[in-house]
Amino acid sequence: NAGVTQTPKFRILKIGQSMTLQCAQDMNHNYMYWYRQDPGMGLKLIYYSVGAGITDKGEVPNGYNVSRSTTEDFPLRLELAAPSQTSVYFCASRQGGGFQETQYFGPGTRLLVL
Amino acid sequence: QKEVEQDPGPLSVPEGAIVSLNCTYSNSAFQYFMWYRQYSRKGPELLMYTYSSGNKEDGRFTAQVDKSSKYISLFIRDSQPSDSATYLCAMRPIEGRQLTFGSGTQLTVLP
Repeated sequence: NAGVTQTPKFRILKIGQSMTLQCAQDMNHNYMYWYRQDPGMGLKLIYYSVGAGITDKGEVPNGYNVSRSTTEDFPLRLELAAPSQTSVYFCASRQGGGFQETQYFGPGTRLLVL
Repeated sequence: QKEVEQDPGPLSVPEGAIVSLNCTYSNSAFQYFMWYRQYSRKGPELLMYTYSSGNKEDGRFTAQVDKSSKYISLFIRDSQPSDSATYLCAMRPIEGRQLTFGSGTQLTVLP
């Protein structure tokens, strides 16, 4: 049981380039989330999904896109990278629908935009 | 004003000390309160989970919620160097799908 996995671990992008951050979970969780974490700023929600085919914007969605075609995968797309998108990106998942709120986080992707 | 404010630290204490970490919030709809621990270059992991007001204890850790003051705390007794990490508070309403996180407090426990 791998939990939540993210690839790549680290990436350097040039301004204007595009890339997809991959996220997968093997716990059959319904809810999945993408956060970004800037130094001293906590976690900001970018997008989330409550199930395959359903996505919604979080607090900071501009410059990003997501899709959820399967329960397991929730990729995050950056279309035109900007220096402001330099951050650490975390994917998380939870079962949903119950009292217990345990979000399981992946190890993160460090992105540097130059 | 941010919805959730957390003492930024950093906080440095000697081994064995009692540590108090705190968050205040402005949204009275928040009912579920969590503390996450994040080691350097790792993803956050859930440490404690409480519902509404009151205390919850788990080993050396105690989570306290005071909804009348919109104030939550995490106490660590007999702190250990392995407790050195960033601690994030998080909360959401009953029907909420999203967590709102504090900015995190970096704790270092010196041996």
